[in-house]
This record gives sequence, structure tokens and C-alpha cells, in this order.
Amino acid sequence: GENVEQHPSTLSVQEGDSAVIKCTYSDSASNYFPWYKQELGKRPQLIIDIRSNVGEKKDQRIAVTLNKTAKHFSLHITETQPEDSAVYFCAASLFTGGGNKLTFGTGTQLKVEL
Amino acid sequence: NAGVTQTPKFRVLKTGQSMTLLCAQDMNHEYMYWYRQDPGMGLRLIHYSVGEGTTAKGEVPDGYNVSRLKKQNFLLGLESAAPSQTSVYFCASSPPGREKNIQYFGAGTRLSVL
Repeated sequence: GENVEQHPSTLSVQEGDSAVIKCTYSDSASNYFPWYKQELGKRPQLIIDIRSNVGEKKDQRIAVTLNKTAKHFSLHITETQPEDSAVYFCAASLFTGGGNKLTFGTGTQLKVEL
Repeated sequence: NAGVTQTPKFRVLKTGQSMTLLCAQDMNHEYMYWYRQDPGMGLRLIHYSVGEGTTAKGEVPDGYNVSRLKKQNFLLGLESAAPSQTSVYFCASSPPGREKNIQYFGAGTRLSVL
């Protein structure tokens, strides 16, 4: 099955700096790569996703890049703000008619310091 | 439109007791999923359903059963709870069509087994 590794497990940045979180996956057939943000005690919420036919996607201060050859993808947050502090999870899946079985990474605790 | 609703929010069980967690969605979603979240391990898929009357095993199905008798409800059962099942349980659903990859999560159920 799919295996997703995520690094780093914790990340501390100064407000206004950029943050980068990296994930690798094992199944070359995976075609969907979402990123979820989870605040303490809350539900995971999708912040951005990318499909395997796209190399990069951007949404305001957040961007995701995908390197299919190397089987890794990254989340980039620019101009970080205190409200970006949360746990971020990457995931990978192969969507078929049988559903979208996400395999998650172990999470990155991002702390944005004033 | 409540989205994905999980009940109960908290529960404490003794080893060997049984219980059922309810997930309800009012978005007419086809796909529904149950995950568990443990510290340092991200979210892991327990069971999932691709439609009313169907269920399938995920990554960690042992000790759990599920049913999807109605499209809007997905039940997760623990027949004989064990301390290893202490976790936070999240239900998710995803729509048909173009956004079928996107999973919407419930608020979670925090379960402790003593």
C-alpha cells in the first residue's frame, strides 16, 4: 500500500518568514495530493490540493509543488502569520471508482512566532 | 446545512464494552470514511463506503465494524472495546462528480477506553 513520509515534525518560524513542509510517497500510481490544516482540538480542513497532471498550484500565500519523478510534494506558506500556527498534514491517494483512500503523513506542527 | 455531524463528541468506555459512533451528512455525498487519529501517527483509514449498502476495509479495520444502511449515515461500531482503541475518531464524506476527491471532516469523537 501507499506510504507517506512527512518532514519536519515541528517547524518554528518568525512571523513574515516562509515555511516549507515536505512529503514523499511510495506509490507511483497515486494521483491526488491534498494538504490539511488542523488547529488544536478541531477537525482537519483542506487548504490546498494538487493532482498528478499539475506541477504547481498556488492560492494566495499557499502553494504546493509536485515532483512525480521523485515522488515528493511540498507545501509552501509565505508571509506567515500567527493564525497559520497549526498541525499540517499531507496525504496521497489514488482515486478510483472504489473511493478516495487517503494515506496521511504524520503531521507537522507549525509555530509562527511574533 | 450542517455538513458532517458526529455523535457523541466524547465517550469513556470500560474494556469489553460496546458502542456505536454515528456520522451523518446532509450534503448528499456518496462516499464516507472513518479515520482514527493517534498522537504522532496522523489519520489512518478504518473503513469506508462508496455508497448506500456498501462498506470496505481500510488500513486499520480490526476490532471495528461499519454499516451504511442509509446514504446519509455511516455507523462505526466497537463490539468489545480495548484500551488500544483510545483515540480521536473522524468521519469524512466526499461528493460525487468533479469534487469527489475532496473530503469534508466532522468535528471528531474523542473516545477513551479504560
